[in-house]
Order: sequence, then C-alpha cells, then structure tokens
Amino acid sequence: DIQMTQSPSSVSASVGDRVTITCRASQGISSWLAWYQQKPGKAPKLLIYAASSLQSGVPSRFSGSGSGTDFTLTISSLQPEDFATYYCQQANSFTFGGGTKVEIK
Amino acid sequence: EVQLVESGGGLVQPGRSLRLSCAASGFTFDDYAMHWVRQAPGKGLEWVSGISWNSGSIGYADSVKGRFTISRDNAKNSLYLQMNSLRAEDTALYYCAKGSARRLGFHYFDLWGRGTLVTVSS
Repeated sequence: DIQMTQSPSSVSASVGDRVTITCRASQGISSWLAWYQQKPGKAPKLLIYAASSLQSGVPSRFSGSGSGTDFTLTISSLQPEDFATYYCQQANSFTFGGGTKVEIK
Repeated sequence: EVQLVESGGGLVQPGRSLRLSCAASGFTFDDYAMHWVRQAPGKGLEWVSGISWNSGSIGYADSVKGRFTISRDNAKNSLYLQMNSLRAEDTALYYCAKGSARRLGFHYFDLWGRGTLVTVSS
C-alpha cells in the first residue's frame, strides 16, 4: 500500500505569510495527487488536483507542485479564512496524508 | 442544488450492524464513482470504500474489508454502506464523497456531504 506522509503536522503563521506544506508518497504516484482543505466542523474541500491544477473557485494564492514522490502545497499570502487543516491524497488507492494544521501565530 | 446528504448514523453496540445512506442531487449520479470517507474524533481522514459508476468495481480499506459492504442504486441516486460487526474503532463521522470520474481509481473527490456520526459503544 502507498503511504502518504505530510510535514509539518502543524504550522503557526501570520496573515500575509507564505506557507508551504509538503507531502511525500512511499512510492511514485506520477502527478496523481490532490490537496484538500478542512475547516473545523466542515467537510473537506478539494483545492488542487493532478498535483498542480486549481479546482474551480479556489483562490489563485493556492498552488501545488511536484511529481513522483514529493509534492508541495503553497499558500502565497495567508488570509484569515485559510486557517484550517490541509490533507494530501493519492488518487489511485485514495490514501490520505496525516494532515497539516495551519494555525494563527 | 448540487449536494450529498448522509443519514443513518447513530449509537450502536459493538458487534451490531448499521446501514448508512447518501442521497445525491443536482448532478448525474450514475456518471460518477462514489466513496465513503471517515474521520474519527480529532483525527485525520481515512478512505473507507469506493464504488464505480455501474458497481462493476468496488474497493475497501483493509480496516473494514469483510465487515463493510458498499452499494449504490442509480435509479434512486443513492449510495449505501452496510456496516457489520462494528467495533469501537469504527466510531467516526462518515462522509459520502463524489468521485470526479466513472471508474474506481485515478480520480479525486470533488463534492462532499456533511457527514453522519457513527458511535460504537456499549
């Protein structure tokens, strides 16, 4: 089974900061990776698919990159509504990473 | 309105059964694979099971294989999860999610319901 490892598990940042989250797959998955955002008490929301494609309606401050085993999610300028937990997911057998909580510094 | 609405959760004793349902609306249900994803209290997301558009392909997480059964009724725009031999570790919020393709595998979850809570306790 493919394992997905996210880091860090949490990050403290301020509004306007650039935030980068990484996700590593235990074996190559090409670009078959998604990123989801989950706010407290809410369902997850698809942000990025195919490693770097922005889902419709998602602000352009979110971007994704990577292929093979190493991937990143970048928020270019953190906004108040971006404080949430972010999950990566490999799109073949659907394993999720452990999550990264973005907290207010 | 495009939405997924889960139901059927509740408190159940260990070893008993429960059936979850997910009602879909606002999109062509039989054009897409569907999934169940769960989240234990305070924990991360865990994929549970998925089913292709025509029920021809089905997959399960190892943690539920042999105990849970996924099914769908395209005529009723509904997805189901039959959960047998429930354990305390099955306690979670269960989400229904729409896949972005027909087949099982190599796609993403682009629509989620709000979830239904399953609590397994004596």
